[in-house]
Amino acid sequence: DIVMTQSPDSLAVSLGERATISCKSSQSVLYAPNNKNLLAWYQQKPGQPPKLLIYWASTRYSGVPDRFSGSGSGTDFSLTISSLQAEDVAVYYCQQYYDFPRAFGQGTKVEI
Amino acid sequence: QGQLVQSGAEVKKPGSSVRVSCKASGFPFAEYRIHWVRQAPGQGLEWMGWISPNDGGTNYAQKFQDRVTMTLDTSITTVYLDLNRLISDDTAIYYCARENWFFDYWGQGTPVTASS
Repeated sequence: DIVMTQSPDSLAVSLGERATISCKSSQSVLYAPNNKNLLAWYQQKPGQPPKLLIYWASTRYSGVPDRFSGSGSGTDFSLTISSLQAEDVAVYYCQQYYDFPRAFGQGTKVEI
Repeated sequence: QGQLVQSGAEVKKPGSSVRVSCKASGFPFAEYRIHWVRQAPGQGLEWMGWISPNDGGTNYAQKFQDRVTMTLDTSITTVYLDLNRLISDDTAIYYCARENWFFDYWGQGTPVTASS
């Protein structure tokens, strides 16, 4: 099974500052047939379901502000919020969709 | 715009069973697998398995193999999660999600409490 590990577990960032979250997979999630990394990022606010932010490791989902960006390949990935806004306070999860069982990271709580 | 709407909160006794439903609308039901993911209080996301509305095929996480059943009713575009022999650790919010490689649509969640 692929294991996803995020760091840090929590992160305090000032308004307007940059926040970066790391996600490592225990094996590569690069899918050779389309040369894409099968890695997604989700945002979850209290009392709400997760929302898709990023897929294919770096493609922003429809309606996601451009201050959110994803990068990385193979086994090492990151999510960056370039200028933290108050509404970005949430828990962020990475997830691999390369193989079953689908696996999520443990989550990173972003606070101000 | 696609949508997944789940059934309401449940309170069950340990040892009993629970059924959670997830009604899909706004997209071709047969074309997308539906997954179930749960979240215990204060914890992360745990994948449980999927069902294919195209052929009813399923794939369950090993942890739940002997206690979970996923079914569907295509006439009302609804999928169901049945979890048997509930224990207190099954207390969680249960989400359905549409697979489009990644999970792009999520239900609102159904809280299930297993308590005596």
